[in-house]
Amino acid sequence: KNQVEQSPQSLIILEGKNCTLQCNYTVSPFSNLRWYKQDTGRGPVSLTIMTFSENTKSNGRYTATLDADTKQSSLHITASQLSDSASYICVVSALAGGGADGLTFGKGTHLIIQP
Amino acid sequence: SQTIHQWPATLVQPVGSPLSLECTVEGTSNPNLYWYRQAAGRGLQLLFYSIGIDQISSEVPQNLSASRPQDRQFILSSKKLLLSDSGFYLCAWNWLGRSGDTQYFGPGTRLTVL
Repeated sequence: KNQVEQSPQSLIILEGKNCTLQCNYTVSPFSNLRWYKQDTGRGPVSLTIMTFSENTKSNGRYTATLDADTKQSSLHITASQLSDSASYICVVSALAGGGADGLTFGKGTHLIIQP
Repeated sequence: SQTIHQWPATLVQPVGSPLSLECTVEGTSNPNLYWYRQAAGRGLQLLFYSIGIDQISSEVPQNLSASRPQDRQFILSSKKLLLSDSGFYLCAWNWLGRSGDTQYFGPGTRLTVL
């Protein structure tokens, strides 16, 4: 069964500090992995998308890494800001997955940035 | 540019009442459309997806139904709501034929069933 596990479930850090969120998956076959940011009460917004051949991708202060061999990904946030407070969702896409979608969602990491 | 709209933004309904949530996409044609539910403290659950008008696939059997009467309109309905239907409902779209690509989500509808 395809699964995406994220850790930690929640995280509180001080403004200006760095943090790293983890995503482990058992989705097979693998097409791509995405990180989304979801502000409270809003829809998720894509941060990064990585395919099998990519092992790092940045979007401003967000840097995602992918190790396709160990099936692990991380999202590193540098110099956190109050606006980074949100849930971060890891989504893995399978080639020819179930239905027209083939996406497996993690439950997300709830990040709180304190001043 | 493309935009996705959902309404209403919030809804409080009694158990047993009907439901109709609407989603529309602007600025694109023939999109894939999706309905998700996000319960408190849980991840996104795919409810329905559609690759075209009147082409709906259900991922989870339940008392909800979906319809796509027009290319860029997706409707989520129920004849009788249950307490367990409470949650945050999200509509999303992506490009036809590229269902593995990034999805673009609407602002969501917060549904509370009392």
